Amino acid sequence: EPEVTQTPSHQVTQMGQEVILRCVPISNHLYFYWYRQILGQKVEFLVSFYNNEISEKSEIFDDQFSVERPDGSNFTLKIRSTKLEDSAMYFCASTRHVGTGWFGPGTRLTVT
Amino acid sequence: AQKITQTQPGMFVQEKEAVTLDCTYDTSDQSYGLFWYKQPSSGEMIFLIYQGSYDEQNATEGRYSLNFQKARKSANLVISASQLGDSAMYFCAVGNYGGSQGNLIFGKGTKLSVKP
Repeated sequence: EPEVTQTPSHQVTQMGQEVILRCVPISNHLYFYWYRQILGQKVEFLVSFYNNEISEKSEIFDDQFSVERPDGSNFTLKIRSTKLEDSAMYFCASTRHVGTGWFGPGTRLTVT
Repeated sequence: AQKITQTQPGMFVQEKEAVTLDCTYDTSDQSYGLFWYKQPSSGEMIFLIYQGSYDEQNATEGRYSLNFQKARKSANLVISASQLGDSAMYFCAVGNYGGSQGNLIFGKGTKLSVKP
């Protein structure tokens, strides 16, 4: 069964460093998303991406964040200068139609 | 703005019994979807069930059913015949299908513990 994959599973970085989180959505999906979950809290929407551009972003998704679909398969989230409060689980999700919402296994980002 | 409220931070259920997890939502959109996800201690988000706002029948997926009451804006998850493996966090979410392409707004979750 096709699935969303994410790499790495765990990333440790120092404050101020840039990180890139990678996702491979399900191949025939059209809509891509990033969410984050701070430990013990709810899942929060960051950004949605469709037709090679951002379709919506939350107030969390400030200028430190960017997304890219560099080729036909990968979908990346870049954090330019990480802060301690960026420590969280980051989930990629993709959908083809409304009514589905397949999440990847997540990348745990730890900023020290 | 959309909002999800899950009023039960924690629930206990005896193995093999049914349990209902509450979810109420608020949205101004006419067309929307309601989702339930399971998050075990390993951290992944597992999609369980979906209900569209125009679906007249309640959604069912195996042991999961969604008790959708549109007028009350509630979308409760019913798990029948609970199993030990059902112990996890459960999140309700709402997504609209207007301009936002379906991004989901989540509730704070309910931690379900199944007792043997």
